[in-house]
Amino acid sequence: KAGVTQTPRYLIKTRGQQVTLSCSPISGHRSVSWYQQTPGQGLQFLFEYFSETQRNKGNFPGRFSGRQFSNSRSEMNVSTLELGDSALYLCASSLAQANEQFFGPGTRLTVL
Amino acid sequence: SQQGEEDPQALSIQEGENATMNCSYKTSINNLQWYRQNSGRGLVHLILIRSNEREKHSGRLRVTLDTSKKSSSLLITASRAADTASYFCATDPDRDNYGQNFVFGPGTRLSVLP
Repeated sequence: KAGVTQTPRYLIKTRGQQVTLSCSPISGHRSVSWYQQTPGQGLQFLFEYFSETQRNKGNFPGRFSGRQFSNSRSEMNVSTLELGDSALYLCASSLAQANEQFFGPGTRLTVL
Repeated sequence: SQQGEEDPQALSIQEGENATMNCSYKTSINNLQWYRQNSGRGLVHLILIRSNEREKHSGRLRVTLDTSKKSSSLLITASRAADTASYFCATDPDRDNYGQNFVFGPGTRLSVLP
């Protein structure tokens, strides 16, 4: 079974731009969660989607948004990028709530 | 403040020794999980322990959970250089009270020296 895939793996943007990251979960997994990882703040939960609905949301500004498609693939979007948005963005999928999460390799975003 | 807090923040041991990492959390949980991360890559799931379990084993890993103390420990026995990584605990808070997804601690950086 293929693992969680994320594209692109690396991305360089400038302040003010917007970016879209993609995540394909493990086949059969309907829950997709997104996390931001930075050296200063560690791993922080962004949001979780299940069956195309956002079920949970972390404490991030409205510039961070996401969606999930009927095939469970998910995208997250960050608008009006700031320098502080530079981070490793990790996507994780699971069969259901309270189950183990399987992480993708991440997308490393650098904002200049 | 973070739900999970690992202790110590960094640990250096010799190959063959055992490594113990601790995790404390604040709220009631459904389960607690341990993950490993190698040098800025994705996280690898190690073990999940549910709130009604006290101990779980997987190969060289042993996890304990004490819900009365809101703490967990991860023991890696007979460590190898390949165990060098950051280890995170993640809690799945009881959604009835807190409605949030997995909360990760800051991690313990383990270095296993050959």
